[in-house]
Amino acid sequence: AQKITQTQPGMFVQEKEAVTLDCTYDTSDQSYGLFWYKQPSSGEMIFLIYQGSYDEQNATEGRYSLNFQKARKSANLVISASQLGDSAMYFCAMRELFSGGYNKLIFGAGTRLAVHP
Amino acid sequence: DGGITQSPKYLFRKEGQNVTLSCEQNLNHDAMYWYRQDPGQGLRLIYYSQIVNDFQKGDIAEGYSVSREKKESFPLTVTSAQKNPTAFYLCASSFPGLSTPDTQYFGPGTRLTVL
Repeated sequence: AQKITQTQPGMFVQEKEAVTLDCTYDTSDQSYGLFWYKQPSSGEMIFLIYQGSYDEQNATEGRYSLNFQKARKSANLVISASQLGDSAMYFCAMRELFSGGYNKLIFGAGTRLAVHP
Repeated sequence: DGGITQSPKYLFRKEGQNVTLSCEQNLNHDAMYWYRQDPGQGLRLIYYSQIVNDFQKGDIAEGYSVSREKKESFPLTVTSAQKNPTAFYLCASSFPGLSTPDTQYFGPGTRLTVL
């Protein structure tokens, strides 16, 4: 079965510094997708970035980049120039293909990031 | 603006009652999903639907029911058979396709508390 592991329950970072949130995954599929979501205290899940297993370049979206190391099965999120508004829970997720062609997301337990001024 | 709406934001239920959580999307997405989130945990899939009038059980479907009569709407009923329904419920939708990542976009959530 597919599994997502986020080993950092909480992280602290100084404002304007970069931070890396770890994510490792386990799958026997050759084709898969990895996602990062941000969940502020208000509760909504905000999509940040996507990496496909066949993508040769690491994904980037503004201050977010994904450090994808396929052989290590890791997909770490890097946030550059942290801002106070980045304080939130961050979830790594992997797309799992169901029978019948349906997709579902498998989520990790999350990492709580606190940005200090 | 396109998006996903969920109502109500907060819901209180007495034991033994059924309650229905609303989820509406105007993104023209074919697929819709319901997740449950317990404190300090990730999301777990309750039900999902790829097309109108079709839906499938997820990992924790017991005590829940859904319907998909319209493309835009995917209501979730929490029945009295659900033993521990207090949780945060999130609805999502996506546009599946061979060349898309099938990214799921989420609504703002409903927090259900059993009194």
